[in-house]
Amino acid sequence: TQLLEQSPQFLSIQEGENLTVYCNSSSVFSSLQWYRQEPGEGPVLLVTVVTGGEVKKLKRLTFQFGDARKDSSLHITAAQPGDTGLYLCAGAGGKLIFGQGTELSVKP
Amino acid sequence: DTAVSQTPKYLVTQMGNDKSIKCEQNLGHDTMYWYKQDSKKFLKIMFSYNNKELIINETVPNRFSPKSPDKAHLNLHINSLELGDSAVYFCASSSRDPGKQFFGPGTRLTVL
Repeated sequence: TQLLEQSPQFLSIQEGENLTVYCNSSSVFSSLQWYRQEPGEGPVLLVTVVTGGEVKKLKRLTFQFGDARKDSSLHITAAQPGDTGLYLCAGAGGKLIFGQGTELSVKP
Repeated sequence: DTAVSQTPKYLVTQMGNDKSIKCEQNLGHDTMYWYKQDSKKFLKIMFSYNNKELIINETVPNRFSPKSPDKAHLNLHINSLELGDSAVYFCASSSRDPGKQFFGPGTRLTVL
């Protein structure tokens, strides 16, 4: 059974701080997706990483796929209250396997 | 225009009842899904359909029966609802399986 361990589960920080969310597995995935979900809405795709070692940037968000394609990280620089939400990683391998999610709260 | 829509948004019902959730996508995608998100926000796939054919059927009780009348619609019928069925159910679609998924707004089901 493929599993994705996401950490931390909860993160409460002040505006302007940096943070990193981790997504780890013992399985290899063909690609890994990161989604953001706001209360009362469905998840929205932020990025897909495909190649081992790949780094993608989306404004203040940096996504990295591990060399072995088993893990990924999301780093947010200078977090803002608008970054508040649930961040989900999802590994693709026949179907999407989701991590448990990280609930991020950024206080002004 | 809403890409993936679900109705109803909220569903409150008694144990033992039967209920349906409807989903429609206007993206022209071939693949549609049902996911269940529990109270801890864990999102798990239940079913996937490709061109009206069932592709994935996770270990879901057979009280749950999906139906895809056409490529743009995927409905979920649930018989004999139980307390443990309370969750948020998301419909999603993608142009290929399991590519970028577009999620609906979710249906919050509460079984009393």
